[in-house]
Amino acid sequence: QVQLVQSGAQVKKPGASVKVSCKASGFTFGDYYIHWVRQTPGQGLEWMGWIDPDYGDTNYAPRFQGRVTLTRDTSMNTAYMGLSGLRSDDTAVYYCAKDLRQKGMYGMDVWGQGTTVSVS
Amino acid sequence: SYELTQPPSVSVSPGQTARISCSGNKLEDKYVTWYQQRSGQSPVLVIYQDDKRPSGIPERFSGSTSGNTATLTIRGTQAMDEADYYCQTWFTSTGVFGTGTKVTVL
Repeated sequence: QVQLVQSGAQVKKPGASVKVSCKASGFTFGDYYIHWVRQTPGQGLEWMGWIDPDYGDTNYAPRFQGRVTLTRDTSMNTAYMGLSGLRSDDTAVYYCAKDLRQKGMYGMDVWGQGTTVSVS
Repeated sequence: SYELTQPPSVSVSPGQTARISCSGNKLEDKYVTWYQQRSGQSPVLVIYQDDKRPSGIPERFSGSTSGNTATLTIRGTQAMDEADYYCQTWFTSTGVFGTGTKVTVL
């Protein structure tokens, strides 16, 4: 079935970088944008950016521009989210999600299980 | 930047109708998506393109948009519908989530 499986929880020091993986299965990886969304403790959802796995094109939310890097490995059907310059307020659950339709931004219909990143 | 505003909470009795609003500038010109997030779980898509329901989502969930406000309606609310609900849209290719609404089934 269609699913996204993310890497495990990480603990980082302030100023460090983190990289979270998201392995896709059950669909053609290159056909659908992969989005990254985070949720800080007790707060709402925050969109971080998307990557087109086919061409590697990316689009980032302005507040993360310069700190976030989205990449992919098409041979492994895996997307990655890197975040640098970590601060305590980056402590959050980070989700990857597949877009609903091919080659566009229509909504996120399949979500990973989430990866907790703690900065302390 | 673009903002979507939702009421922090909505309470509803079992079997009754819950309505969750989502307000944003010229929202009628954009597609709105709705997500349900139960406690400790990943979000689930319940409505896309304003009023379309993915397969597997019960018919009691419906969406509509008028003017600057989108509305998610849950008819015949059940205990299992107790969750946080988020609206979402796109603004210059950037994703924007609403502030979220906690639905409590009393």
